[in-house]
Amino acid sequence: DQQVKQNSPSLSVQEGRISILNCDYTNSMFDYFLWYKKYPAEGPTFLISISSIKDKNEDGRFTVFLNKSAKHLSLHIVPSQPGDSAVYFCAASDPSGGGADGLTFGKGTHLIIQP
Amino acid sequence: DSGVTQTPKHLITATGQRVTLRCSPRSGDLSVYWYQQSLDQGLQFLIQYYNGEERAKGNILERFSAQQFPDLHSELNLSSLELGDSALYFCASSGRVGSGGYTFGSGTRLTVV
Repeated sequence: DQQVKQNSPSLSVQEGRISILNCDYTNSMFDYFLWYKKYPAEGPTFLISISSIKDKNEDGRFTVFLNKSAKHLSLHIVPSQPGDSAVYFCAASDPSGGGADGLTFGKGTHLIIQP
Repeated sequence: DSGVTQTPKHLITATGQRVTLRCSPRSGDLSVYWYQQSLDQGLQFLIQYYNGEERAKGNILERFSAQQFPDLHSELNLSSLELGDSALYFCASSGRVGSGGYTFGSGTRLTVV
């Protein structure tokens, strides 16, 4: 049972436009959400996060929105640049998991920025 | 360089064999996490160690085990390997999730033939 779902395996966006990556979750105990970016042959790198007490967090070109009632979050990248082409993973943390903070990841969305 | 070192980068072995993957966490990080990424799958949490002690288990098979040593490096042991164990294995380290997430290594690609 996938608790974190990224339903779009891939997304193609023109350079300079907005990229919107979506993520849905089912576990209402998740209280912290993160986005990671992964290039081929490298490990995922942390991009941006949001606590469940907020509905928006912004860092430069990246903004994450959280809709708790819909159990949905999205990552907006504006403007999209060629270097943004990568696989983006959504992840969530459940603090009730025995004190451990192993993240639950989605399957990822491959973002392709077209010139 | 993320500061998390994983060795080897690539490993090819036969079914039924045993392998050991090694991870050195980022300096100062006490938590080490192991993740498996199979084809078309997301990152599956396997196990977490904190300062030498097992902290949490995820979807880790009984054929797999791990440990964290006093110098904080960690090893993931995979035994009785099957074709389906072929995957990317990532190690990550952290202080706390709230501090900005994990720092991942570049992974070990395991191919079982």
